[in-house]
Amino acid sequence: KQEVTQIPAALSVPEGENLVLNCSFTDSAIYNLQWFRQDPGKGLTSLLLIQSSQREQTSGRLNASLDKSSGRSTLYIAASQPGDSATYLCAGGGTYKYIFGTGTRLKVLA
Amino acid sequence: EPEVTQTPSHQVTQMGQEVILRCVPISNHLYFYWYRQILGQKVEFLVSFYNNEISEKSEIFDDQFSVERPDGSNFTLKIRSTKLEDSAMYFCASSGSGIQYFGPGTRLTVL
Repeated sequence: KQEVTQIPAALSVPEGENLVLNCSFTDSAIYNLQWFRQDPGKGLTSLLLIQSSQREQTSGRLNASLDKSSGRSTLYIAASQPGDSATYLCAGGGTYKYIFGTGTRLKVLA
Repeated sequence: EPEVTQTPSHQVTQMGQEVILRCVPISNHLYFYWYRQILGQKVEFLVSFYNNEISEKSEIFDDQFSVERPDGSNFTLKIRSTKLEDSAMYFCASSGSGIQYFGPGTRLTVL
């Protein structure tokens, strides 16, 4: 049974720092790995998708990598800003199902 | 930019009542999903739907739940007899070629 773990569970940093959020999964048979952002009481905003043939994706200050052999994905946030404060979720799976991690709650202090 | 929409945004119901949550997926997408998130917990997969049938479902998705695509645009989740523990945020998602796009969610409160 696929389990997805995110470390750390919570993170508080001063503005401008570069951050690394980690996601690990027990079953390396992941076809897609998607990172989301969730603001309190809100829905899920897709940030990056890494498909099975890819190893990383970049969008602006965000970079996500996937190492299927170790069962790990990393989300790198460069030059963090207070507006980045949110919960970050990773989800992995195939065409018919995603398993979500428990999330990392990020607070960026001005 | 196309987006997934969900109605209502908040539904309050009495225990034992039937509820129908509605979703309009992105128009050219072929795969549809329902997930739920109980307050303070992680997002959980409920069911996926493709080619007018269920592709996969979780243990949560028991006989009290059903899904339907009644026309070319809507995708619904029905809970026949709601329980207190069904209180959660329900998210609909759709995908065309890998990336799943999520709607804003329906907050279901069962009293």
